[in-house]
Amino acid sequence: DSGVTQTPKHLITATGQRVTLRCSPRSGDLSVYWYQQSLDQGLQFLIQYYNGEERAKGNILERFSAQQFPDLHSELNLSSLELGDSALYFCASSPGLNSPLHFGNGTRLTVT
Amino acid sequence: AQSVTQPDIHITVSEGASLELRCNYSYGATPYLFWYVQSPGQGLQLLLKYFSGDTLVQGIKGFEAEFKRSQSSFNLRKPSVHWSDAAEYFCAVGGGFKTIFGAGTRLFVKA
Repeated sequence: DSGVTQTPKHLITATGQRVTLRCSPRSGDLSVYWYQQSLDQGLQFLIQYYNGEERAKGNILERFSAQQFPDLHSELNLSSLELGDSALYFCASSPGLNSPLHFGNGTRLTVT
Repeated sequence: AQSVTQPDIHITVSEGASLELRCNYSYGATPYLFWYVQSPGQGLQLLLKYFSGDTLVQGIKGFEAEFKRSQSSFNLRKPSVHWSDAAEYFCAVGGGFKTIFGAGTRLFVKA
C-alpha cells in the first residue's frame, strides 16, 4: 500500500461529459502529480501541485484542469470528454521536488 | 535530450531462472534513477532508487540494480524469479515532475 488513495476506481461516462477524479496523497507529502496511462501513449505526466500551488505542467489538455486543496488532496477535472480520453489516470505524491513518486492505484476512465 | 530506453518490450523467463531487465538513459547531470513495477490493475510501486554512493542498489522483493555510468545503464536483476514477479517494469530517471519513464518491459514467467 503506497498510502496514496484515488477515487473512484472505475468511471464510465459518455462523450461530452465532465468528471472529477480525486486523490489523497501520502501523509506528509506536499507534492501531487497526475499522470495518464494509455496503451498507445504510455505514461504521460499531466500536472504537478506543490503545497497548493501549480508547479509544473506536462501534456495536459486545455479541457483538463486540476487543483490542490489546503488539506493537500487534489482533484483532476476532465471536461468535454472524448473517446480518446479513455485511459488510466494515476495520482502520485512525493515529499519533495526530486523525490521518488508514490503512486495510487489509479482511476480507470472509460468514455463511451 | 533526456530519455530512458528499455530495449525489451517483453521478456519471458522460467520460474526460478535469473532475470535482467535492461535500461539505458540519457541525462545531462548525475541522474537519480528508479525502477518501478506495475502489476495488473495496480499503480506503479517503487522497487529501488539510486541517488549516489554504492552503484549496486538493493530493493524490495529481492531485486537489485547496478548503475554503470560508463554505459549509461541501470539494469534490474533478480537471481531467481517467482511467478508473482510477472508484471510490467518501468525504469525512470530524474525525480519529481522531471521523472522520465521508459516505455516499460512486460515480464512473463512460465512454469
